[in-house]
Amino acid sequence: DAKTTQPPSMDCAEGRAANLPCNHSTISGNEYVYWYRQIHSQGPQYIIHGLKNNETNEMASLIITEDRKSSTLILPHATLRDTAVYYCIVRKRSSGYSTLTFGKGTMLLVSP
Amino acid sequence: EAGVAQSPRYKIIEKRQSVAFWCNPISGHATLYWYQQILGQGPKLLIQFQNNGVVDDSQLPKDRFSAERLKGVDSTLKIQPAKLEDSAVYLCASSPQPGGGPRGNEQFFGPGTRLTVL
Repeated sequence: DAKTTQPPSMDCAEGRAANLPCNHSTISGNEYVYWYRQIHSQGPQYIIHGLKNNETNEMASLIITEDRKSSTLILPHATLRDTAVYYCIVRKRSSGYSTLTFGKGTMLLVSP
Repeated sequence: EAGVAQSPRYKIIEKRQSVAFWCNPISGHATLYWYQQILGQGPKLLIQFQNNGVVDDSQLPKDRFSAERLKGVDSTLKIQPAKLEDSAVYLCASSPQPGGGPRGNEQFFGPGTRLTVL
């Protein structure tokens, strides 16, 4: 399964855009990029996913490069509640069932 | 809509003791997962159920860990005997359908059970 590389930590000022990068240079053509986040003492929460086109929902935007070797999660107006660990995951298929393999993620700290 | 429920939230035991965790997934979700999250790391999948059958238990330490999902709804994860390195948060997640397209794999996580083994 494709591995991902993320910076261990990032800082962002409240109200500014947070841009979280992820490298997945070994991604296969039928693998999706997923983003989850985990707020302290809670379980992970789904944010967004994409295959090759840019995606946007009420939480965030996902920008995937044309060669699909990297992506960026964008939180357009970060708030203090966005402080969390953000996981970039490439979905693996196994015997028809898809699994998620979490790395260490990026700890995003949003400050006033 | 009620989320994934887990109990207990916290458990402290001594090594070599036994412990069990309980999970109630979101109603109607066919797939259930148990993850182990050691401090500072991302969650690691231990076992995945589809209804009451095991799909993937390749990372479950079967000499001490066991899990079951009776009637395809609730699930329990047991550790016996516990070791110091089992100290972690145990997360349960569920998803609506297996491999049914990208959104069908969205996993909904419970709050977890924090286990401390002394």
